[in-house]
Amino acid sequence: TQLLEQSPQFLSIQEGENLTVYCNSSSVFSSLQWYRQEPGEGPVLLVTVVTGGEVKKLKRLTFQFGDARKDSSLHITAAQPGDTGLYLCAGRDSNYQLIWGAGTKLIIKP
Amino acid sequence: NAGVTQTPKFQVLKTGQSMTLQCAQDMNHNSMYWYRQDPGMGLRLIYYSASEGTTDKGEVPNGYNVSRLNKREFSLRLESAAPSQTSVYFCASRGASGTEAFFGQGTRLTVV
Repeated sequence: TQLLEQSPQFLSIQEGENLTVYCNSSSVFSSLQWYRQEPGEGPVLLVTVVTGGEVKKLKRLTFQFGDARKDSSLHITAAQPGDTGLYLCAGRDSNYQLIWGAGTKLIIKP
Repeated sequence: NAGVTQTPKFQVLKTGQSMTLQCAQDMNHNSMYWYRQDPGMGLRLIYYSASEGTTDKGEVPNGYNVSRLNKREFSLRLESAAPSQTSVYFCASRGASGTEAFFGQGTRLTVV
Protein backbone atom coordinates (compact mmCIF):
# COMPACT_ATOMS: atom_id res chain seq x y z
CA THR A 1 0.00 0.00 0.00
CA GLN A 2 1.39 3.37 -0.99
CA LEU A 3 1.36 5.98 1.72
CA LEU A 4 2.00 9.69 1.76
CA GLU A 5 2.95 11.08 5.15
CA GLN A 6 2.54 14.76 5.80
CA SER A 7 4.26 16.67 8.57
CA PRO A 8 3.57 18.44 10.72
CA GLN A 9 -0.08 17.54 11.19
CA PHE A 10 -0.79 20.92 12.76
CA LEU A 11 1.09 24.24 12.69
CA SER A 12 0.12 27.54 14.29
CA ILE A 13 2.42 30.52 13.71
CA GLN A 14 2.38 34.31 13.75
CA GLU A 15 1.83 36.41 10.66
CA GLY A 16 5.12 37.20 8.95
CA GLU A 17 6.91 33.99 9.88
CA ASN A 18 8.19 31.43 7.39
CA LEU A 19 7.21 27.77 7.41
CA THR A 20 7.77 24.51 5.57
CA VAL A 21 5.49 21.48 5.41
CA TYR A 22 6.54 18.11 4.11
CA CYS A 23 5.05 15.24 2.16
CA ASN A 24 7.04 12.00 2.21
CA SER A 25 6.67 8.51 0.78
CA SER A 26 8.70 5.40 0.13
CA SER A 27 6.99 5.14 -3.27
CA VAL A 28 7.77 6.92 -6.52
CA PHE A 29 5.04 9.06 -8.05
CA SER A 30 4.71 10.25 -11.63
CA SER A 31 3.57 13.63 -10.34
CA LEU A 32 2.63 15.26 -7.07
CA GLN A 33 -0.03 17.84 -6.36
CA TRP A 34 -0.66 20.28 -3.52
CA TYR A 35 -4.18 21.35 -2.63
CA ARG A 36 -5.54 23.86 -0.13
CA GLN A 37 -8.85 23.31 1.57
CA GLU A 38 -10.76 26.01 3.44
CA PRO A 39 -13.49 25.23 6.01
CA GLY A 40 -16.74 24.12 4.39
CA GLU A 41 -15.18 23.75 0.96
CA GLY A 42 -13.56 21.06 -1.12
CA PRO A 43 -9.81 21.01 -1.81
CA VAL A 44 -8.56 23.26 -4.60
CA LEU A 45 -5.41 22.56 -6.60
CA LEU A 46 -2.45 24.89 -5.98
CA VAL A 47 0.25 23.25 -8.08
CA THR A 48 1.40 20.08 -9.82
CA VAL A 49 5.08 19.10 -9.91
CA VAL A 50 6.19 16.48 -12.38
CA THR A 51 9.97 16.37 -12.75
CA GLY A 52 12.35 15.24 -10.02
CA GLY A 53 14.02 18.30 -8.50
CA GLU A 54 11.39 20.64 -9.92
CA VAL A 55 10.72 23.89 -8.08
CA LYS A 56 7.59 25.95 -8.65
CA LYS A 57 6.71 29.29 -7.15
CA LEU A 58 3.25 30.69 -6.59
CA LYS A 59 3.71 34.18 -5.10
CA ARG A 60 4.97 33.49 -1.54
CA LEU A 61 4.58 29.71 -1.87
CA THR A 62 7.47 27.56 -3.12
CA PHE A 63 6.90 23.92 -4.00
CA GLN A 64 9.68 21.39 -4.53
CA PHE A 65 9.56 17.82 -5.82
CA GLY A 66 12.32 15.56 -4.55
CA ASP A 67 14.96 14.31 -6.97
CA ALA A 68 13.70 10.73 -6.62
CA ARG A 69 10.03 11.83 -6.94
CA LYS A 70 9.20 10.33 -3.53
CA ASP A 71 8.79 13.50 -1.50
CA SER A 72 7.82 17.14 -1.74
CA SER A 73 7.84 20.28 0.35
CA LEU A 74 5.83 23.48 0.51
CA HIS A 75 7.53 26.59 1.86
CA ILE A 76 5.58 29.73 2.68
CA THR A 77 7.45 33.01 3.10
CA ALA A 78 6.02 35.75 5.31
CA ALA A 79 2.82 33.86 6.09
CA GLN A 80 -0.43 35.80 6.12
CA PRO A 81 -3.80 35.02 7.77
CA GLY A 82 -5.19 34.30 4.31
CA ASP A 83 -2.83 31.29 4.10
CA THR A 84 -4.80 29.57 6.87
CA GLY A 85 -6.24 26.25 5.75
CA LEU A 86 -5.66 22.53 5.36
CA TYR A 87 -2.84 21.70 2.93
CA LEU A 88 -3.06 18.31 1.26
CA CYS A 89 -0.55 16.57 -0.97
CA ALA A 90 -1.55 13.89 -3.47
CA GLY A 91 0.71 11.67 -5.54
CA ARG A 92 -0.31 10.15 -8.85
CA ASP A 93 0.63 6.50 -9.04
CA SER A 94 1.30 4.28 -12.05
CA ASN A 95 -2.42 3.42 -12.25
CA TYR A 96 -3.37 7.06 -12.64
CA GLN A 97 -4.92 7.10 -9.15
CA LEU A 98 -4.29 9.84 -6.60
CA ILE A 99 -2.84 8.80 -3.23
CA TRP A 100 -3.62 11.40 -0.56
CA GLY A 101 -1.73 12.54 2.50
CA ALA A 102 -3.65 13.25 5.72
CA GLY A 103 -2.97 16.98 5.51
CA THR A 104 -1.31 19.77 7.47
CA LYS A 105 -3.67 22.14 9.26
CA LEU A 106 -2.11 25.60 9.14
CA ILE A 107 -3.25 28.55 11.26
CA ILE A 108 -1.68 31.97 10.77
CA LYS A 109 -2.40 34.33 13.66
CA PRO A 110 -2.58 38.07 12.96
CA ASN B 1 -19.19 27.08 -14.65
CA ALA B 2 -20.70 25.03 -11.85
CA GLY B 3 -17.90 22.42 -11.85
CA VAL B 4 -18.86 19.66 -9.40
CA THR B 5 -22.20 19.99 -7.62
CA GLN B 6 -23.11 17.90 -4.59
CA THR B 7 -26.41 17.67 -2.77
CA PRO B 8 -27.37 17.89 0.01
CA LYS B 9 -24.86 20.07 1.89
CA PHE B 10 -25.98 18.86 5.31
CA GLN B 11 -27.89 15.78 6.45
CA VAL B 12 -28.79 14.16 9.77
CA LEU B 13 -29.87 10.51 9.70
CA LYS B 14 -31.00 8.08 12.33
CA THR B 15 -29.18 4.77 12.56
CA GLY B 16 -30.64 2.37 10.00
CA GLN B 17 -32.03 5.01 7.66
CA SER B 18 -30.97 5.15 4.04
CA MET B 19 -30.04 8.05 1.82
CA THR B 20 -28.43 8.89 -1.50
CA LEU B 21 -25.85 11.61 -2.02
CA GLN B 22 -26.01 13.14 -5.46
CA CYS B 23 -23.09 14.42 -7.53
CA ALA B 24 -22.97 15.96 -10.99
CA GLN B 25 -20.13 17.47 -13.01
CA ASP B 26 -20.34 19.62 -16.11
CA MET B 27 -16.70 19.33 -17.26
CA ASN B 28 -17.17 16.22 -19.41
CA HIS B 29 -14.78 14.28 -17.18
CA ASN B 30 -14.48 10.52 -17.46
CA SER B 31 -13.46 9.75 -13.87
CA MET B 32 -15.53 10.45 -10.80
CA TYR B 33 -14.82 9.69 -7.14
CA TRP B 34 -16.44 9.57 -3.73
CA TYR B 35 -14.28 10.29 -0.67
CA ARG B 36 -14.93 10.62 3.00
CA GLN B 37 -12.91 13.00 5.14
CA ASP B 38 -12.48 12.49 8.86
CA PRO B 39 -10.30 14.58 11.20
CA GLY B 40 -6.65 13.57 11.01
CA MET B 41 -7.27 10.94 8.33
CA GLY B 42 -7.29 12.96 5.15
CA LEU B 43 -9.33 11.84 2.17
CA ARG B 44 -10.21 8.17 1.98
CA LEU B 45 -11.53 6.77 -1.28
CA ILE B 46 -14.89 4.98 -1.02
CA TYR B 47 -15.64 4.19 -4.68
CA TYR B 48 -14.61 5.50 -8.03
CA SER B 49 -15.76 5.30 -11.63
CA ALA B 50 -13.10 5.47 -14.32
CA SER B 51 -15.69 5.87 -17.05
CA GLU B 52 -19.41 5.71 -17.65
CA GLY B 53 -20.65 2.20 -16.92
CA THR B 54 -17.81 1.16 -14.61
CA THR B 55 -17.37 1.41 -10.86
CA ASP B 56 -14.65 0.10 -8.54
CA LYS B 57 -14.13 -0.16 -4.81
CA GLY B 58 -11.72 2.12 -3.08
CA GLU B 59 -10.13 1.91 0.34
CA VAL B 60 -13.32 2.00 2.47
CA PRO B 61 -16.31 0.68 0.44
CA ASN B 62 -18.16 -1.26 3.16
CA GLY B 63 -21.65 0.09 3.85
CA TYR B 64 -21.83 2.05 0.60
CA ASN B 65 -23.04 1.53 -2.95
CA VAL B 66 -22.61 3.72 -6.00
CA SER B 67 -24.23 4.28 -9.37
CA ARG B 68 -22.67 5.96 -12.39
CA LEU B 69 -25.96 7.08 -13.90
CA ASN B 70 -24.37 8.70 -16.96
CA LYS B 71 -21.18 10.58 -17.70
CA ARG B 72 -22.29 13.55 -15.60
CA GLU B 73 -23.73 11.89 -12.51
CA PHE B 74 -22.30 9.62 -9.82
CA SER B 75 -24.37 8.88 -6.73
CA LEU B 76 -23.44 7.37 -3.38
CA ARG B 77 -25.99 5.39 -1.38
CA LEU B 78 -25.99 4.43 2.26
CA GLU B 79 -28.45 1.55 2.64
CA SER B 80 -28.47 1.37 6.43
CA ALA B 81 -26.63 4.28 8.02
CA ALA B 82 -24.39 3.68 11.04
CA PRO B 83 -22.81 6.22 13.43
CA SER B 84 -19.38 5.24 12.00
CA GLN B 85 -20.50 6.79 8.72
CA THR B 86 -20.68 10.24 10.30
CA SER B 87 -18.24 12.19 8.14
CA VAL B 88 -17.85 14.80 5.44
CA TYR B 89 -18.31 13.31 1.98
CA PHE B 90 -16.72 14.74 -1.14
CA CYS B 91 -17.38 13.99 -4.76
CA ALA B 92 -14.60 14.71 -7.25
CA SER B 93 -13.96 14.39 -10.96
CA ARG B 94 -10.87 14.21 -13.18
CA GLY B 95 -10.45 14.52 -16.92
CA ALA B 96 -8.99 11.91 -19.26
CA SER B 97 -5.62 13.55 -19.64
CA GLY B 98 -5.51 15.94 -16.70
CA THR B 99 -4.29 15.06 -13.25
CA GLU B 100 -6.19 17.75 -11.35
CA ALA B 101 -9.11 16.64 -9.19
CA PHE B 102 -12.08 18.99 -8.97
CA PHE B 103 -14.16 18.72 -5.83
CA GLY B 104 -17.68 19.52 -4.81
CA GLN B 105 -18.38 21.51 -1.66
CA GLY B 106 -19.00 18.41 0.42
CA THR B 107 -21.88 16.86 2.36
CA ARG B 108 -21.67 16.92 6.14
CA LEU B 109 -23.48 13.79 7.30
CA THR B 110 -24.31 13.02 10.91
CA VAL B 111 -25.75 9.63 11.88
CA VAL B 112 -27.32 9.54 15.34
